Parts: sequence; C-alpha cells; structure tokens
Amino acid sequence: GAVVSQHPSRVICKSGTSVKIECRSLDFQATTMFWYRQFPKQSLMLMATSNEGSKATYEQGVEKDKFLINHASLTLSTLTVTSAHPEDSSFYICSASPDQRRGLGQFFGPGTRLTVL
Amino acid sequence: KQEVTQIPAALSVPEGENLVLNCSFTDSAIYNLQWFRQDPGKGLTSLLLIQSSQREQTSGRLNASLDKSSGRSTLYIAASQPGDSATYLCAVISSGSARQLTFGSGTQLTVLP
Repeated sequence: GAVVSQHPSRVICKSGTSVKIECRSLDFQATTMFWYRQFPKQSLMLMATSNEGSKATYEQGVEKDKFLINHASLTLSTLTVTSAHPEDSSFYICSASPDQRRGLGQFFGPGTRLTVL
Repeated sequence: KQEVTQIPAALSVPEGENLVLNCSFTDSAIYNLQWFRQDPGKGLTSLLLIQSSQREQTSGRLNASLDKSSGRSTLYIAASQPGDSATYLCAVISSGSARQLTFGSGTQLTVLP
C-alpha cells in the first residue's frame, strides 16, 4: 500500500515552454501533498505544500507564479513549471501524506527528471 | 530553523560488515523522524519511521534509534550486502508545523562485494 506515482518520469523541453508534472496517490487519499526539488548530489529541498482544495504554501525563495501547483482532488496534485529555463532543470519529487496529524509519514513518488534545453 | 546533518557523507565497506549511519538535528522538538533510501536517479523509499515517543524501530537488518534529547538518530545496518548500496537520507518533522520534512544531505553508502 501507500504507492505514489509521478508522470512523466522524464521530460526534455525547449526553453520558454511550460511543463506539467502529475503526482497521484494510488491507494490512499492524500490530505497533503508536497513538492521537492533535488539538484545533483544534493538533498531534497521543499518547494511547496498543498492541501486539497486550497492554495499551496510556497517556501521562501520559490516563485509561485513560476511553479504553479494545483491539488484538485485527494489523489492528484500537479506542478506546472511555466516558461521553463535551463536553470529549472532538476529532479522534481512529490510526496503524499494520508494524514500528517497522525504522523504516518510521507510517501514519495519516483521523481521526474526535467531537462530544459 | 531546524537543521539536519548526516555523517559521514560517504562510506565504503566490504560486504558482510555491520555499519552505523549518523543523523543529528538542532531542534529536539520533533514530531517524528524518517530514514529513507534513494537509489541513483530514483525517488525515495521509506525505510523506518520513528515517532517522537519511540526510542527505536526495526525492520529486517535495519535498526533505527532516536535520542530526542541529544538530537541524534542512528541507522544500523547488519550484515551489509552490495544491494544496500544507495544514498541514505534522514528527515525530521518538527513539532511546530507537523507537516514539513527537513532532510539531511545524506550518506552515500557503497558495499563492496
């Protein structure tokens, strides 16, 4: 149980285009989903936290107009990188929590490798 | 602000050895602590989760301990195997937010056959 999927697993795009990444909790309802970014040989950095049906909370330094997050249902969150540039190339990982208040932890997706040319 | 540190950054051991990975955190007011494994280019696999009221958790050859007062956790791997080679990440959820994971920088483990 507690499987989280991401789609696509890998995407290459031209500079200036927008890219949408989906995160789904397959066998549980996620009250909260998180989006992380990981640069090579570095740890995960939290970008934003989203609760179903409400606006995402962004970490300091993360541009909310550039990284659009939608958490429309209890099983799906999307991250759209708008007008992507080469510096946005990174490994994006989502996680989902069935109920953070119960301390069940977070379950992570397999990640999406974004390369902006 | 919570800070999580992992030592060593990299570790190479021969197959069969027992080993310990260390994690320390600056704010002892944590909700829980999780150990993850990450293979190259992959997502994270949760290994063990320790609630703040617990002292340790065990799963197979893995044992994680937690000492909240000193801000430390260890991950003990018994009888290491080449398949254990990966990066091991420690992460804590602080009591204040009870939602955000703060990650350490990880320990890259290589088990030599």
